[in-house]
Amino acid sequence: GAGVSQSPSNKVTEKGKDVELRCDPISGHTALYWYRQRLGQGLEFLIYFQGNSAPDKSGLPSDRFSAERTGESVSTLTIQRTQQEDSAVYLCASSPKAGGPVEQFFGPGTRLTVL
Amino acid sequence: AQSVTQLGSHVSVSEGALVLLRCNYSSSVPPYLFWYVQYPNQGLQLLLKYTSAATLVKGINGFEAEFKKSETSFHLTKPSAHMSDAAEYFCAVSDGTGANNLFFGTGTRLTVIP
Repeated sequence: GAGVSQSPSNKVTEKGKDVELRCDPISGHTALYWYRQRLGQGLEFLIYFQGNSAPDKSGLPSDRFSAERTGESVSTLTIQRTQQEDSAVYLCASSPKAGGPVEQFFGPGTRLTVL
Repeated sequence: AQSVTQLGSHVSVSEGALVLLRCNYSSSVPPYLFWYVQYPNQGLQLLLKYTSAATLVKGINGFEAEFKKSETSFHLTKPSAHMSDAAEYFCAVSDGTGANNLFFGTGTRLTVIP
């Protein structure tokens, strides 16, 4: 596709359940980022991939959060034992490379609601 | 460390009036600065970026921003607001090294009044 896509667009889950969020980056983009956007707040960095390795996981809020990436393609963000404070929009972005003033291209996000 | 402060979570302007959205940054190294726009139910879209080439940066849709090091500011302006400019605007800073993570402000929602 032409842009970054994310699925599902909306996810409602019950507290304690696990969820998987998917991101399809722009083809050929080596760098992939996950951000979280809580209501009324700015975007919060979660994790960054260069290829399929994650050199920077510093933004993951707890060990309930994990992410993986297959090659330079799809990435999955998994949240285990979801809590209400996990409710947010999760945004994925990709860029041709990391470093320098390179534009990050964002997907439309997945809105997660934890009841 | 890098951070961004956006003054005013909501700004309302009349159609045709000047748009001014404020952004101040903090960075321990010369920063790269970005403005992104988010339309309802859409992803963030880059409006413009500062990369040290020129202090006045022109972006899409008639927006521009001026980097002022002495004021640590990167305010976004547009001479004449259009209804289609109604959206949320985010300022972001990066040091451009390593992962090039973006540090975002909390956003400013722009309303354009007919």
